[in-house]
Formats: sequence, structure tokens, C-alpha cells
Amino acid sequence: SYVLTQPPSVSVAPGQTARITCGRDNLGTNSVHWYQQRPGQAPVLVVYDDSDRPSGIPERLSGSSSGNTATLTISRVEAGDEADYYCQVWDISSDHPVFGGGTKLTVL
Amino acid sequence: QVQLVQSGAEVKKPGSSVKVSCKTAGGTFNTYTITWVRQAPGQGLEWMGRIIPMFGTTNYAQKFQDRVSITADESTSTVYMQLSSLRSEDTAVYYCARVFSSWGSFYLEYWGQGTLVTVSS
Repeated sequence: SYVLTQPPSVSVAPGQTARITCGRDNLGTNSVHWYQQRPGQAPVLVVYDDSDRPSGIPERLSGSSSGNTATLTISRVEAGDEADYYCQVWDISSDHPVFGGGTKLTVL
Repeated sequence: QVQLVQSGAEVKKPGSSVKVSCKTAGGTFNTYTITWVRQAPGQGLEWMGRIIPMFGTTNYAQKFQDRVSITADESTSTVYMQLSSLRSEDTAVYYCARVFSSWGSFYLEYWGQGTLVTVSS
């Protein structure tokens, strides 16, 4: 089964750029999706299909994928971006989502 | 606007069962997959199972295969998740989510607000 690897934590100063990675063998064959989970709240989809944004998600959040790594990039980081971020792919053979372990973004 | 509204927090004894509801509004209820994901305190997201209301078909994570049951009531656009033989490790927030699927892309587009289930003697 799939295992998605994320760094446990990323720290960045306000106004800087945060990059959160999601790695897996042969990741390039899967669409990667990203969720933001603020403390005490449900996850929210912020990027789907590697790089598309749902309506209402600021352009500061962007996604990309190359080879075995997908990346969520948050530009001009704000205090409100402090949250846990999860990547996700779909295991077609077993018909279920697979989540990365999550990355806690801390805004210094 | 699509909304998934879950039932309230529960406190259960070890060995008992819990049934959490997820009422959907907006969109066509029976054409979407509804999935359940749980999150233990301080932990990540863990998939439990899913149902396609149109067909009534279910798929469960092997870890929960013997203890979980997901059902749907089309008349009320509500999906239920029942977990039995509860133990302390089942203390978690349980989320329902609607799955978007198209051309091989599957993701959890809308989420319920979560239901805290506490298992304690």
C-alpha cells in the first residue's frame, strides 16, 4: 500500500515562503491533494489535482509535483496559515484515500 | 452550497457501540461517495470506510473491518457510521466527507464539522 512521507514540522517567519513536501515512490502517477487543518477545526481542501485551487483559497497557496515529490508552497506566510497540512492520494486498487502523516506549519 | 452536519459529541463505555450521523445538504445525495475519517488526539488522519448511497456499496479499512458499519438513508440524505466493541484507543474525532471523483481524481471536497467520541470507563 502507499506511504506518503511528510516532514513533521516546518517553521517560517511571517512574509517568507513555506514549502511542505510529500514524497512517495512513483508519486507522479497519482494526483496529489492537500488539506489545511487549523487547530480545533475540520480539514479544508486547499489544493487538488497537484496544483488546482478550490474557489476561495488564496493564490498564495500553490501546489506542484515533480517525480516522486509533491510540494505545497505558501507564499507571504501569515499568522493565519499556522496549521497542520496533509497530502493525500487515492489508492485505486483498494479504493480509498491515503494520507500523509501531516506537517505542522509554525509561523515564528 | 454543500454542507455535511454531524451529530454531537458522545461519551461511551468500553465494549459499547457508537453511531454517528452525517446529514448532507446540497448536491445529489446518492450520487456521491461519503467517506469516514478519524483523528485521534494529536494524531493524523485515518481512513475508516466509505459508502456509495446510490448502490449501497461499502468498503472498509481492514483495521476496522470487523467493527464498523456504514449505512445510508436516502430519505433523509443521512449517512451513519457505527463502531462497535469500543476501546480507549477509539477516542477520536470522527469526520465524514464527500468525495469528488472524476477522471481518476479522487479527493475529499467537503467535510463535516467532526464528532468527538470519548471512550472511558
